[in-house]
Amino acid sequence: AQTVTQSQPEMSVQEAETVTLSCTYDTSESDYYLFWYKQPPSRQMILVIRQEAYKQQNATENRFSVNFQKAAKSFSLKISDSQLGDAAMYFCAYRSHSGTYKYIFGTGTRLKVLA
Amino acid sequence: DTAVSQTPKYLVTQMGNDKSIKCEQNLGHDTMYWYKQDSKKFLKIMFSYNNKELIINETVPNRFSPKSPDKAHLNLHINSLELGDSAVYFCASSLLSVNEQYFGPGTRLTVT
Repeated sequence: AQTVTQSQPEMSVQEAETVTLSCTYDTSESDYYLFWYKQPPSRQMILVIRQEAYKQQNATENRFSVNFQKAAKSFSLKISDSQLGDAAMYFCAYRSHSGTYKYIFGTGTRLKVLA
Repeated sequence: DTAVSQTPKYLVTQMGNDKSIKCEQNLGHDTMYWYKQDSKKFLKIMFSYNNKELIINETVPNRFSPKSPDKAHLNLHINSLELGDSAVYFCASSLLSVNEQYFGPGTRLTVT
């Protein structure tokens, strides 16, 4: 069975600085998708970025980028030029490319942005 | 326009009662999901329907019964509510062939 691990329950970053959130996963599949979701205090789950496992190029979305290391089963999220609005819970998620396409979420990392 | 909506957003009820949460999506998606997020923010899938057919049915008490009247709607009925059912319940939808899910705003259920 697949698992997703986020080893940092909480992180802090100074406004305008860069922070990296860690995520590792375990799977025997070769094709899958990885995601980072953001959950601000409003509790709405918002997709931040996604990565297809077959793509070697790391995904980027404006200030958000990932470091995808398939062999190491690592999928970290880098937030550049952190803003106060980035403060939220961040969840790493895995989705199989076959079967029931079930999503598996990590336990989340709470990001605090300091002014 | 709201993509995935849930009603109600807040629900406070007593132990033993029966309650329902409704979800609707207007994205044309063919797959809908129910998740439970506990007090520690852990998000766990409960059920998923694809074209009104149940495709994911995790280990959930049989007091929980999902119903999908059509592709755009997925409801969750809970019988004999218990204190441990207190959580935020999220509905989500996607196209099965496409990878990203869109979430509703969540329903905070409090059982007293």
